[in-house]
Amino acid sequence: AQSVTQPDIHITVSEGASLELRCNYSYGATPYLFWYVQSPGQGLQLLLKYFSGDTLVQGIKGFEAEFKRSQSSFNLRKPSVHWSDAAEYFCAVGAWLGSGDKLTFGTGTRLAVRP
Amino acid sequence: GAVVSQHPSWVICKSGTSVKIECRSLDFQATTMFWYRQFPKQSLMLMATSNEGSKATYEQGVEKDKFLINHASLTLSTLTVTSAHPEDSSFYICSVKGLQDSPLHFGNGTRLTVT
Repeated sequence: AQSVTQPDIHITVSEGASLELRCNYSYGATPYLFWYVQSPGQGLQLLLKYFSGDTLVQGIKGFEAEFKRSQSSFNLRKPSVHWSDAAEYFCAVGAWLGSGDKLTFGTGTRLAVRP
Repeated sequence: GAVVSQHPSWVICKSGTSVKIECRSLDFQATTMFWYRQFPKQSLMLMATSNEGSKATYEQGVEKDKFLINHASLTLSTLTVTSAHPEDSSFYICSVKGLQDSPLHFGNGTRLTVT
């Protein structure tokens, strides 16, 4: 069974500082990996995804993530955090199985940004 | 613009009543939609996969008679919480599968409060 672990429940960084959110996954085959962001009371917005190819993927809002198969990780990074980045971030792993895509989400990391 | 429209965004109902939540795909026909549930400060848990023209597939532990899913058209899936109880209070989010190799698109969610 696939699973996702986000070790950090809550992270606080200063505005302008760099950010790295950790994500480890367990999956039997080549995973499809995603990072989503959720603002309070809102749905999820896709930041970036990895299917195959280049292991360093660029996303929206200046985010990037690196797929490391040897470490089963897909950490999210941003070189300089903005106050508007404060939100909940979810890592997810999925499988493209015909018409069905079941995503398994991590428990999320809540990011607070210190002025 | 929004790809998925979810309605209502919030609803308060009395215990014992039923509530219907709609999920509409705005930009494309969706043969498959997904319903997730999110408890406060927790991750999203897949409840069921909604297939157009056929019965929904429910995840283990989800009561299909309590959470009725109807996917009558290629752009609309509905989730009805029947005989709602306070423990059903949660944030319900739908997602829509896009074209091949495209990620899931999420609605903005529905906050259900059962009093």
